[in-house]
Amino acid sequence: QKEVEQNSGPLSVPEGAIASLNCTYSDRVSQSFFWYRQYSGKSPELIMSIYSNGDKEDGRFTAQLNKASQYVSLLIRDSQPSDSATYLCAVNRARGNTGKLIFGQGTTLQVKP
Amino acid sequence: SAVISQKPSRDICQRGTSLTIQCQVDSQVTMMFWYRQQPGQSLTLIATANQGSEATYESGFVIDKFPISRPNLTFSTLTVSNMSPEDSSIYLCSALLQETQYFGPGTRLLVL
Repeated sequence: QKEVEQNSGPLSVPEGAIASLNCTYSDRVSQSFFWYRQYSGKSPELIMSIYSNGDKEDGRFTAQLNKASQYVSLLIRDSQPSDSATYLCAVNRARGNTGKLIFGQGTTLQVKP
Repeated sequence: SAVISQKPSRDICQRGTSLTIQCQVDSQVTMMFWYRQQPGQSLTLIATANQGSEATYESGFVIDKFPISRPNLTFSTLTVSNMSPEDSSIYLCSALLQETQYFGPGTRLLVL
């Protein structure tokens, strides 16, 4: 079993729809969770971090964490073609970011105009 | 924020040779890291580049294969030694600044 699992996709949504990206992790002691966006041929960039159960909203992005189910998700509202990218879920056993992240394989999102 | 540059951006190498990748950060950072992203795979941490001391390697990675230098707070190098086709990958430098992790553009390595 991989430590961090994501459906590789591609996930295809129409412009303006809500895109839902999911991630599960195997290590129960994990405390910090991150979503990165990676455009093709570019480096990953941080979108959201979440440390506590529940929802965290930032603009069109909402991260959701359920530690009991070992599940973290990212919702993108009003999806735009510019959101088309690979979204990487990353987990850290420590609180905050120590730099030692465990990444999932990434989900490719395609937003169609 | 931190801006990270890497050299070279890509290279094609023959098996048995070595390649050194350079990473430059535009800010002084305490923590620098090297990750690998193999085709269709997730990013995997190779090692933490410690300033003034030996790098700390993750399971499955050894110093003889991936020697790392960190001479100051803004610069690090990763050498991929005695390369084989299995080393073909994207190598990314990363830096942690104020709890945000930044990544370089990556070095695309193809070993023939």
